[in-house]
Amino acid sequence: AQSVSQHNHHVILSEAASLELGCNYSYGGTVNLFWYVQYPGQHLQLLLKYFSGDPLVKGIKGFEAEFIKSKFSFNLRKPSVQWSDTAEYFCAVNPLTGGGNKLTFGTGTQLKVEL
Amino acid sequence: EAQVTQNPRYLITVTGKKLTVTCSQNMNHEYMSWYRQDPGLGLRQIYYSMNVEVTDKGDVPEGYKVSRKEKRNFPLILESPSPNQTSLYFCASSFSGPNQPQHFGDGTRLSIL
Repeated sequence: AQSVSQHNHHVILSEAASLELGCNYSYGGTVNLFWYVQYPGQHLQLLLKYFSGDPLVKGIKGFEAEFIKSKFSFNLRKPSVQWSDTAEYFCAVNPLTGGGNKLTFGTGTQLKVEL
Repeated sequence: EAQVTQNPRYLITVTGKKLTVTCSQNMNHEYMSWYRQDPGLGLRQIYYSMNVEVTDKGDVPEGYKVSRKEKRNFPLILESPSPNQTSLYFCASSFSGPNQPQHFGDGTRLSIL
């Protein structure tokens, strides 16, 4: 079955550490890719998205993600995390063929940033 | 204020008793969808709707029904709830499709005993 995998379920970092969260998907065709974030007590919100073009995309709050087509990956990065980045992060995929109107989320990564 | 409103926020009920979770958005969005969130499984799409009277199955539609008679409303119906449908449910909407930023509701926590 087609899926979205986030292998890091829980990540604990100290402030100023660098962050990389993995996301892999199994869809073979063209996809739109997203990262969403859910801060404690808040709604899920869009962090960044990739449709086409430059595979390195920048989002809000200093986050960026790199699309590597050959690896079916869309990893999220931030050079220096802050305590306020503590949240749950979800990768999501919108396949443009065979279900072009679906949005499939990964299992999520709970990030805790310690002072 | 632009928002997606779900009701109820919390519900405890028993197996087999039909229930409806309402979802309403005030942004004139065409695309609406329902998700369930379970520990270790993330968000899974149940149903989505591209517009009025246009609905389709997501990844986990079994045991659920939806309708889209008006653009703003997208109720989720559990005809005969079972304990495995105990979950946190989110409604979301966007301007025109899954490639647009999704606006999520506050969530509905359902417990089926």
